[in-house]
Amino acid sequence: ILNVEQSPQSLHVQEGDSTNFTCSFPSSNFYALHWYRWETAKSPEALFVMTLNGDEKKKGRISATLNTKEGYSYLYIKGSQPEDSATYLCAVGGTASKLTFGTGTRLQVTL
Amino acid sequence: EPEVTQTPSHQVTQMGQEVILRCVPISNHLYFYWYRQILGQKVEFLVSFYNNEISEKSEIFDDQFSVERPDGSNFTLKIRSTKLEDSAMYFCASSAGDRGTDQPQHFGDGTRLSIL
Repeated sequence: ILNVEQSPQSLHVQEGDSTNFTCSFPSSNFYALHWYRWETAKSPEALFVMTLNGDEKKKGRISATLNTKEGYSYLYIKGSQPEDSATYLCAVGGTASKLTFGTGTRLQVTL
Repeated sequence: EPEVTQTPSHQVTQMGQEVILRCVPISNHLYFYWYRQILGQKVEFLVSFYNNEISEKSEIFDDQFSVERPDGSNFTLKIRSTKLEDSAMYFCASSAGDRGTDQPQHFGDGTRLSIL
């Protein structure tokens, strides 16, 4: 059974702070890693998909890295804004056709 | 921007009844998925579907569950005889390409299923 862990469970930061979250997973049977942003009452929105060890991806103030050998990915948000408040989900594909999700990190950004 | 649509948004059903949840994936996508999230728990994979057949299913997806792509646009999840523990938010997702999980998945807004 593929177990995907995310930390912290929740995070409260001030506007302008930079922050990062961790997703850890077993390094065997790795196919792909996804990050999603999920706002309340909306559907999860894809941020990044990474497949190769050492991958780094960036979208605006948000970036992610992947280490498949040690089984972790970091998501970074630079200069957090209130609109960044959401739950950030990590999901790992152990095969081509199944994603296993972590519990998510709930981020609250206040003024 | 194209989106995945799910109907209904909320379904209330008596235990033991059959329920069909409907999804219209993005039109040029090839992989389709159903997930569910029981309140307070993780999002759980149920089933993936590619090339008109199930690619993979979880241990949750037992004989009470089935999926179908009846007309080339809809993708349905049927639960034959619902149980109280089937109460959850059900999400449909689709992805482009034929390589499955190395493509981002596009999610619908979900159907909240409540079993009484």
